[in-house]
Amino acid sequence: EPEVTQTPSHQVTQMGQEVILRCVPISNHLYFYWYRQILGQKVEFLVSFYNNEISEKSEIFDDQFSVERPDGSNFTLKIRSTKLEDSAMYFCASSDAGSNTEAFFGQGTRLTVV
Amino acid sequence: GQNIDQPTEMTATEGAIVQINCTYQTSGFNGLFWYQQHAGEAPTFLSYNVLDGLEEKGRFSSFLSRSKGYSYLLLKELQMKDSASYLCAVSRGNTPLVFGKGTRLSVIA
Repeated sequence: EPEVTQTPSHQVTQMGQEVILRCVPISNHLYFYWYRQILGQKVEFLVSFYNNEISEKSEIFDDQFSVERPDGSNFTLKIRSTKLEDSAMYFCASSDAGSNTEAFFGQGTRLTVV
Repeated sequence: GQNIDQPTEMTATEGAIVQINCTYQTSGFNGLFWYQQHAGEAPTFLSYNVLDGLEEKGRFSSFLSRSKGYSYLLLKELQMKDSASYLCAVSRGNTPLVFGKGTRLSVIA
């Protein structure tokens, strides 16, 4: 069964460092998303990506964040200068027809900023 | 804006039936998703309701009333493995899903 894969599963970084979280969405999907979940809190939307551009972003997704689809398979989230409060589980998701269809989530990257 | 409410925690007995409610207030409502999330894992899709009524899928059923802004997830014949968080999420137009805070269900013997 096709699945969304994310690497790494766990990333520890020092405050102020840049991190890149990687995702391989399901191959025939067209819509890609990043969500985050701070420990014990709800899943929060960060950004959606369609047709090689950002289609929507939340207020969390500030100038420190960027996304890229560098090739036909990868979808990355970059945090330029990490802060302690960026510590969270980051989920990548993809769907074949937008938000009215099932989104498939990757297993997540647990980011710990120290 | 959107407002999605669901109980924070519930406990139920193995073999029993449990109903997890979700109320929402939003404009441009399309449909309502339920996801299951085990601790430390990704959310996995359970159901999607667009029209009013009950949709049954094995031990899990989901109900929607658009006029009341209300949905519930019904889990029958509870098993220990059903212990997880259950996330209600609203779909609006082409905007991405907005999740509620989730209901943590504990199934006890």
